[in-house]
Amino acid sequence: NAGVTQTPKFQVLKTGQSMTLQCAQDMNHNSMYWYRQDPGMGLRLIYYSASEGTTDKGEVPNGYNVSRLNKREFSLRLESAAPSQTSVYFCASMTGTGTNEQFFGPGTRLTVL
Amino acid sequence: RKEVEQDPGPFNVPEGATVAFNCTYSNSASQSFFWYRQDCRKEPKLLMSVYSSGNEDGRFTAQLNRASQYISLLIRDSKLSDSATYLCVALTGGGNKLTFGTGTQLKVEL
Repeated sequence: NAGVTQTPKFQVLKTGQSMTLQCAQDMNHNSMYWYRQDPGMGLRLIYYSASEGTTDKGEVPNGYNVSRLNKREFSLRLESAAPSQTSVYFCASMTGTGTNEQFFGPGTRLTVL
Repeated sequence: RKEVEQDPGPFNVPEGATVAFNCTYSNSASQSFFWYRQDCRKEPKLLMSVYSSGNEDGRFTAQLNRASQYISLLIRDSKLSDSATYLCVALTGGGNKLTFGTGTQLKVEL
């Protein structure tokens, strides 16, 4: 039982390049989330998917797109990376019922030059 | 104004001390509350849920005051291993979204 996994762990991009961050969970959770964490800003929600087949914008969605590929996988895409997107990105999942505990992946450290 | 506000600290305390963190929230529709712990460069992990009646888990006690929109976390007999950032969290958005405070940093020293 791996919990929530994210790839890659580290990435350096040049301005304008694109990339997809991958996230998968094996806990049969309904809801999945993408956050970014910046110093002094805390965790900010980018997009979330309350259930398979649905996605919704969070607090800071501009410059990102997401895909809920199936119940297990939720990817985050940067179409044209900008230095302002340098951050640590966390994926999380939650059952959507019951305890409301979110389980986080180990994070992706992204630098955009 | 941030939806969940915390004092960023750092709180530097000696081992064995009792320390309290406070948090305020602005959305009165928030349904549930939690404290998460985040170690340096690691992912956040649930420490404990917060109930109106107050709840205790070993050395940790959490309290919720809905009238004042205020949440607290008390840590007794601090250990070096308690050094971390503590995130105050509110469940909003119809039960689908967590809103995180920016965190309070705790450093426990010998």
